[in-house]
Amino acid sequence: EADIYQTPRYLVIGTGKKITLECSQTMGHDKMYWYQQDPGMELHLIHYSYGVNSTEKGDLSSESTVSRIRTEHFPLTLESARPSHTSQYLCASSDHRPNDSYNEQFFGPGTRLTVL
Amino acid sequence: GQNIDQPTEMTATEGAIVQINCTYQTSGFNGLFWYQQHAGEAPTFLSYNVLDGLEEKGRFSSFLSRSKGYSYLLLKELQMKDSASYLCALMDSNYQLIWGAGTKLIIKP
Repeated sequence: EADIYQTPRYLVIGTGKKITLECSQTMGHDKMYWYQQDPGMELHLIHYSYGVNSTEKGDLSSESTVSRIRTEHFPLTLESARPSHTSQYLCASSDHRPNDSYNEQFFGPGTRLTVL
Repeated sequence: GQNIDQPTEMTATEGAIVQINCTYQTSGFNGLFWYQQHAGEAPTFLSYNVLDGLEEKGRFSSFLSRSKGYSYLLLKELQMKDSASYLCALMDSNYQLIWGAGTKLIIKP
């Protein structure tokens, strides 16, 4: 079944730790995204990718990195976690059809990160 | 720049109709999306409008007026499971989504 997966679903870690949030999709989508969302607030785009070996920064100040070595996999890494990184992280994917703006984004279940 | 405004919270009664408004300002426009997000869950797609007018999909309808920078989501025959946040999102000239903060809809019996 075509889907988008994120692991872990919940993570509690100490300040200064390096963490990687995993995201995989089996829909064959070219475009993938990472968003950060605090409760009751809007989604903020952290990083996105148009395809393999493509990564771009979003509007949120990036203290994280991403990679896109395979179409289906788009991991997000925080080199040194801080309490300000406590948030929900949502991964999404969509087709990339430049001449067709109807590119619905499909979301994974999210990772809720708490940094102590 | 871009800006999206929608009410923070609305309350409605089961079985009734509710309209959630969204206004926006943008220099580039490639459509407007509505998503539903239940508490603690990921957003799920509801509707997309790129041309003016009304798009109907079952109990949900979405309207767009590009000249007024205005959209609304209309929910009919409200059910308790419709209690959620409803997110308005604008697709800009770079085909990126700019998200509103969402409207929390509370359904009362």
